[in-house]
Amino acid sequence: GAGVSQTPSNKVTEKGKYVELRCDPISGHTALYWYRQSLGQGPEFLIYFQGTGAADDSGLPNDRFFAVRPEGSVSTLKIQRTERGDSAVYLCASSFSGQGAGSPLHFGNGTRLTVT
Amino acid sequence: QKEVEQNSGPLSVPEGAIASLNCTYSDRGSQSFFWYRQYSGKSPELIMFIYSNGDKEDGRFTAQLNKASQYVSLLIRDSQPSDSATYLCAVRGDNAGNNRKLIWGLGTSLAVNP
Repeated sequence: GAGVSQTPSNKVTEKGKYVELRCDPISGHTALYWYRQSLGQGPEFLIYFQGTGAADDSGLPNDRFFAVRPEGSVSTLKIQRTERGDSAVYLCASSFSGQGAGSPLHFGNGTRLTVT
Repeated sequence: QKEVEQNSGPLSVPEGAIASLNCTYSDRGSQSFFWYRQYSGKSPELIMFIYSNGDKEDGRFTAQLNKASQYVSLLIRDSQPSDSATYLCAVRGDNAGNNRKLIWGLGTSLAVNP
């Protein structure tokens, strides 16, 4: 089956604009994660969904960031009033979330967001 | 603050040698340990995961876990130039509820020289 799909692959926007980033996880994966990564850094956790609900949104930097997963599959990360500091690669990952300590993450190819 | 630490490198090894990548973590309750490889401009790709103390081998890769000393390592045998990448260590804690996020290291850059 297909892997995690993210669109668009690149997004250039002007400061102050609104953007939406889409993630289509691996079929059957109930857990979905959003991370962002800046050059030379490890992935920075943003939000985690278990099914339709946001189980942990403690990584969202401020209220300009919001994410939804209304049907428990595709997720959209929404950023309002973008700032130049939001420029990064936004990574989506999914996992088959069972009990216990398993379930490795599988990443999409990311969306490179550039705010000018 | 839970932390995962890696030597940033670059670690440079000749082709055919063994590359040894190390990772230490602060949360003694951590249960799952992952190594990801990331090529420049690409997303992280899972290489191996390990849950139990000891060694786990998969082809040229061996993950080693020592929970008492709180470190996990990745050995790459017969290193190839195509192994040149950043290797990210990630650790998942034994948390109650649904908090399953990983704690990531900053990665070690590996260069395999032909």
